[in-house]
Amino acid sequence: QITLKESGPTLVKPTQTLTLTCTISGFSLTSSGVAVSWIRQPPGKALEWLALIYWDDDKYYSPSLKTRLTITKDTSKNQVVLTMTNMDPVDTATYYCAYRKIYGDYEPWGQGTLVTVSS
Amino acid sequence: QSVLTQPPSVSAAPGQKVTISCSGSSSNIENNYVSWYQQFPGTAPKLLIYENNRRPSGIPDRFSGSKSGTSATLGITGLQTGDEADYYCGTWDASLRAEEFGGGTKLTVL
Repeated sequence: QITLKESGPTLVKPTQTLTLTCTISGFSLTSSGVAVSWIRQPPGKALEWLALIYWDDDKYYSPSLKTRLTITKDTSKNQVVLTMTNMDPVDTATYYCAYRKIYGDYEPWGQGTLVTVSS
Repeated sequence: QSVLTQPPSVSAAPGQKVTISCSGSSSNIENNYVSWYQQFPGTAPKLLIYENNRRPSGIPDRFSGSKSGTSATLGITGLQTGDEADYYCGTWDASLRAEEFGGGTKLTVL
């Protein structure tokens, strides 16, 4: 059974860097074809895709946020990490990680973690 | 502003049928698989349709997906009050080299 769980701070101050961790189980980050994405959702708003990392370390980022995002994986810890720099109140959102299947559909998703940006 | 356009809301009576459209372009929907997700308030999205028209195990056949050119459609028949949720389409955009989600559609079962 594949599961993902997000963890990280619930509150960050403006200009700070956010680091979120997605801990996975039920699959290996080294298996061919495996990929994990980060996706966020501001309160009451739509889903916004952020970043994607493949088993072979190929990475893709949202064009509008590319300069602020870094996605990495630690295969020994079964974790995918997202860092977002220069946080702003508009970045307040629930952040999800999700398992990306071969043709681009996401299932399952983590439960999500709400990050609030406020001074 | 998403590159995939969905109607903000749709509504229909219990037992009726509803369709939700997702409009894109040749760089996304036309040449890539489309997925659909269902999301209830306070919960993570759940995969409803993948590879344009396939249903994961456990999803009832009241839910269907189709694609034609640069548009995709989610259909729900035999509407139930429990179907009230937000629905999102998603696909890869080859030009942007990025995943895209639609703006979401809120389904109300009157």
